[in-house]
Amino acid sequence: ETGVTQTPRHLVMGMTNKKSLKCEQHLGHNAMYWYKQSAKKPLELMFVYNFKEQTENNSVPSRFSPECPNSSHLFLHLHTLQPEDSALYLCASSPTAGENTEAFFGQGTRLTVV
Amino acid sequence: AQSVTQPDIHITVSEGASLELRCNYSYGATPYLFWYVQSPGQGLQLLLKYFSGDTLVQGIKGFEAEFKRSQSSFNLRKPSVHWSDAAEYFCAVGPFSGGYNKLIFGAGTRLAVHP
Repeated sequence: ETGVTQTPRHLVMGMTNKKSLKCEQHLGHNAMYWYKQSAKKPLELMFVYNFKEQTENNSVPSRFSPECPNSSHLFLHLHTLQPEDSALYLCASSPTAGENTEAFFGQGTRLTVV
Repeated sequence: AQSVTQPDIHITVSEGASLELRCNYSYGATPYLFWYVQSPGQGLQLLLKYFSGDTLVQGIKGFEAEFKRSQSSFNLRKPSVHWSDAAEYFCAVGPFSGGYNKLIFGAGTRLAVHP
């Protein structure tokens, strides 16, 4: 248990659906991240939020829309996804005070687009 | 460009044998280096990290790693593998800028342990 909780753990959605992934941490961290883990590819950083402000968007398609209402919660809104978007989506958080920090990961949401 | 290479996609060892997982990185400055482990269906758990100082770092579950700047490597080792160590292992380099980590991961090494 890392203190980062993701829901749901599994999600199956059609290409025309709209769904949201949720991430929650109560570790007092101010930075939160979304990563995508596809089969046979390295983990890819998608978005970074620092103090609720988006600081990184690694050329992610607009069908993925992040939202960070406060430092404890992070959402990933999904709409009109493609089958190739099927993957494990991992949320992480880290402190921002000081440099000797590490990222704590949630257990992920396994997304299947049909 | 920053990158991490894990040359071995799959490794199989016998229980009780020693283990070394290789990691090479490309990074322009002194890197922050991490090893994470992922069990099936789970998220990533930090095994150990290197920021500065002693180049041999100890982690959880009996793992250690050695930072070798001259070789741009950060190999993970364990003297005696247990069946519960079967998992996927990821090396990552994490530039820390703007107050947060921007981890770049290798492709991972899947470890199988034979009884």
